[in-house]
Amino acid sequence: DSGVTQTPKHLITATGQRVTLRCSPRSGDLSVYWYQQSLDQGLQFLIQYYNGEERAKGNILERFSAQQFPDLHSELNLSSLELGDSALYFCASSERDGGYGYTFGSGTRLTVV
Amino acid sequence: EDQVTQSPEALRLQEGESSSLNCSYTVSGLRGLFWYRQDPGKGPEFLFTLYSAGEEKEKERLKATLTKKESFLHITAPKPEDSATYLCAVAYSGAGSYQLTFGKGTKLSVIP
Repeated sequence: DSGVTQTPKHLITATGQRVTLRCSPRSGDLSVYWYQQSLDQGLQFLIQYYNGEERAKGNILERFSAQQFPDLHSELNLSSLELGDSALYFCASSERDGGYGYTFGSGTRLTVV
Repeated sequence: EDQVTQSPEALRLQEGESSSLNCSYTVSGLRGLFWYRQDPGKGPEFLFTLYSAGEEKEKERLKATLTKKESFLHITAPKPEDSATYLCAVAYSGAGSYQLTFGKGTKLSVIP
């Protein structure tokens, strides 16, 4: 157990729907990162939050959004889902505002049918 | 254009048969190169960080090295439990904040 908790582990939904993925960082970690892993693209950085504020954006679609709450947990919202959004979504956390010492969670496997 | 390329995509080794995995990168302003191990159904697990050419890091049967254009992950006398996908990632000055750019990985299978 890495200490980073992601729920749910698996999610199956239909095209056009909206889902929310949840991440609880390790105790004491203030930064949260979201990554998408698909078979053909590998791990792609989506977005980073630090202590509730957005810090960096990567290849995140406009249909996707995220936030980090006062208790430091984070949610990734995916809307108007398409078949191509099927992937593993990972959350990672680190203690400081950035730095590369990520700890990854076990991911949420999203299947869009 | 891929900025991080890993080869081979897949590698099968007999137990005890040493080999190397390659990670080549084309970014400028490298801040660090990272190796992760990923088991099926799990998140990547951090192995090493290398910051400058010539640097080496070791952990058990694994040794990572870095040059100005590539990194190698050497696996000495591998065991079946070393079977996993090994991911390479870079952090560089052209990227935003502390994001990592990953390669697609090398899937290693060690046969008893």
